[in-house]
Amino acid sequence: KAGVTQTPRYLIKTRGQQVTLSCSPISGHRSVSWYQQTPGQGLQFLFEYFSETQRNKGNFPGRFSGRQFSNSRSEMNVSTLELGDSALYLCASSVETGVNTEAFFGQGTRLTVV
Amino acid sequence: QQQVKQSPQSLIVQKGGISIINCAYENTAFDYFPWYQQFPGKGPALLIAIRPDVSEKKEGRFTISFNKSAKQFSLHIMDSQPGDSATYFCAASVNNDMRFGAGTRLTVKP
Repeated sequence: KAGVTQTPRYLIKTRGQQVTLSCSPISGHRSVSWYQQTPGQGLQFLFEYFSETQRNKGNFPGRFSGRQFSNSRSEMNVSTLELGDSALYLCASSVETGVNTEAFFGQGTRLTVV
Repeated sequence: QQQVKQSPQSLIVQKGGISIINCAYENTAFDYFPWYQQFPGKGPALLIAIRPDVSEKKEGRFTISFNKSAKQFSLHIMDSQPGDSATYFCAASVNNDMRFGAGTRLTVKP
């Protein structure tokens, strides 16, 4: 079974631009969560999607948004990029059974804002 | 607001020794407590997890101890090996909203 796939692996953008990151969950997984990982802040929860609906949201500004498609694939978008948005963005998928279950992470997208 | 506090930030252990990482949480609604292991260039991978209805869970060399009243849980790695050198994250979750500790960089010296 294929794991969680994130594309692209690396990205360099300029301040003020916007970026879209993609995540393909493990087949059969309906829950997709996004995290921002930085050396100073660790793993910060961005949001979680299930059945195309955002169920949970972390404490990030509105510049960070996401969506989920009917095939459970998810995208996250960051608009008006700032230098501080440079980070590893991780996506995790899990089987939704109504209780917390194991989250499987992708390898992440390394975003550098210059 | 950090909902899960993890310590120490870094840990150096001799091969064969015991590695202990501690975490504390604030939200009593959390009902799932996993530990993740992350190697450089990789995403975190689940190591072991526990639910609050048990006080201890062991899988091979890895053990979680859970103290519900103190809102604390810890990871013990017995017979630590150089291959265990990685960053470890504790986490706490409710309704698939998972919050992570800041991570512990473990180095196991041969």
